[in-house]
Amino acid sequence: QKEVEQNSGPLSVPEGAIASLNCTYSDRGSQSFFWYRQYSGKSPELIMSIYSNGDKEDGRFTAQLNKASQYVSLLIRDSQPSDSATYLCAVNDYKLSFGAGTTVTVRA
Amino acid sequence: ETGVTQTPRHLVMGMTNKKSLKCEQHLGHNAMYWYKQSAKKPLELMFVYNFKEQTENNSVPSRFSPECPNSSHLFLHLHTLQPEDSALYLCASSQDFRAEGNTIYFGEGSWLTVV
Repeated sequence: QKEVEQNSGPLSVPEGAIASLNCTYSDRGSQSFFWYRQYSGKSPELIMSIYSNGDKEDGRFTAQLNKASQYVSLLIRDSQPSDSATYLCAVNDYKLSFGAGTTVTVRA
Repeated sequence: ETGVTQTPRHLVMGMTNKKSLKCEQHLGHNAMYWYKQSAKKPLELMFVYNFKEQTENNSVPSRFSPECPNSSHLFLHLHTLQPEDSALYLCASSQDFRAEGNTIYFGEGSWLTVV
């Protein structure tokens, strides 16, 4: 079983809609969770971190964590074409493990 | 500008060459990392240095040799590479590898092509 699993996509959403990205992880003891955004040809950039169960909001981004279900998600509200990128879920289970990423395309 | 600077940004090398990738971080961090990113594959952790000590070597072939002279600088020495080693090599840094909530920040990456 992969340590961190994401739907690879691509996920296509219309401009202004909500994009929903999901991630599951295998290590029940994991405590820290991160979402990175990676534009084509660029390096990953941190957009959100979450450590406690529940929701954490930052601008148009909301991260949701459910440790019992070993599930973390990212919602992008009012999606913009500039949000088109690959989103990487990362879990800090002693060493930072990344999912393969979900590619999001926001169509105008 | 991410605070983590990598050079060169692009490198083409033959299988018999020896080259090095360089990374410098200006964030005052104590941990530095090398990751490999190949097409359609998750980021792979290669090496971790925490307070200049190597703490992780993720079964990386010996043709990749890291060097960390101080907490701000990290090198990846390359020799007799294979075409399948062509990838994006990402340097990253964080405050402390073993700290709870350890958050890592990436450099722009070095695109390596082995011919």
